[in-house]
Amino acid sequence: EPEVTQTPSHQVTQMGQEVILRCVPISNHLYFYWYRQILGQKVEFLVSFYNNEISEKSEIFDDQFSVERPDGSNFTLKIRSTKLEDSAMYFCASSDAPLGGQPQHFGDGTRLSIL
Amino acid sequence: QKEVEQNSGPLSVPEGAIASLNCTYSDRGSQSFFWYRQYSGKSPELIMSIYSNGDKEDGRFTAQLNKASQYVSLLIRDSQPSDSATYLCAVPMDSNYQLIWGAGTKLIIKP
Repeated sequence: EPEVTQTPSHQVTQMGQEVILRCVPISNHLYFYWYRQILGQKVEFLVSFYNNEISEKSEIFDDQFSVERPDGSNFTLKIRSTKLEDSAMYFCASSDAPLGGQPQHFGDGTRLSIL
Repeated sequence: QKEVEQNSGPLSVPEGAIASLNCTYSDRGSQSFFWYRQYSGKSPELIMSIYSNGDKEDGRFTAQLNKASQYVSLLIRDSQPSDSATYLCAVPMDSNYQLIWGAGTKLIIKP
């Protein structure tokens, strides 16, 4: 069964540094998403991406964050000048239609630890 | 503020019994509903999706939707220890791009 793959599985970074989290969505999917989950808390939506542009973003997704689809397969989340509170699991998801039609499928996540 | 509410549990169920998990949502216009299972430290895994009132069965899992009462439930028959996990209810916002998540119900199946 096709999978969403994320790399790295664990990223440790010093506060203030930039990180790039990488995702390869399912190949025929057109809609891409980033979520985060702080330990012990709810899953939180960050951003959705379709047709090479952001479709929607949450209040969390401020100027510190950016997303990019640099080629036909990768979908990246960049966090500039990381803060301690950015420590969380970051999940990438994809779907072949908007949510009204099809559910999202998640990657295994990247655990981001900011020191 | 659109919300999805779940009892955080833990819900403890003997092995072989039926586990019943409930979720309520605030947006009367919601059309799609998803149940995900999340093991500790892992990503959410889709279990069931339901779009119409009534029951939808898939193996040991049954999702039940009642739009008039704004709740969706998940029944797990013949519960197994491997079903022990947190079950997340998720509902799209109006935009259809963003999922609103419940806090999840922790389910413990006792052998």
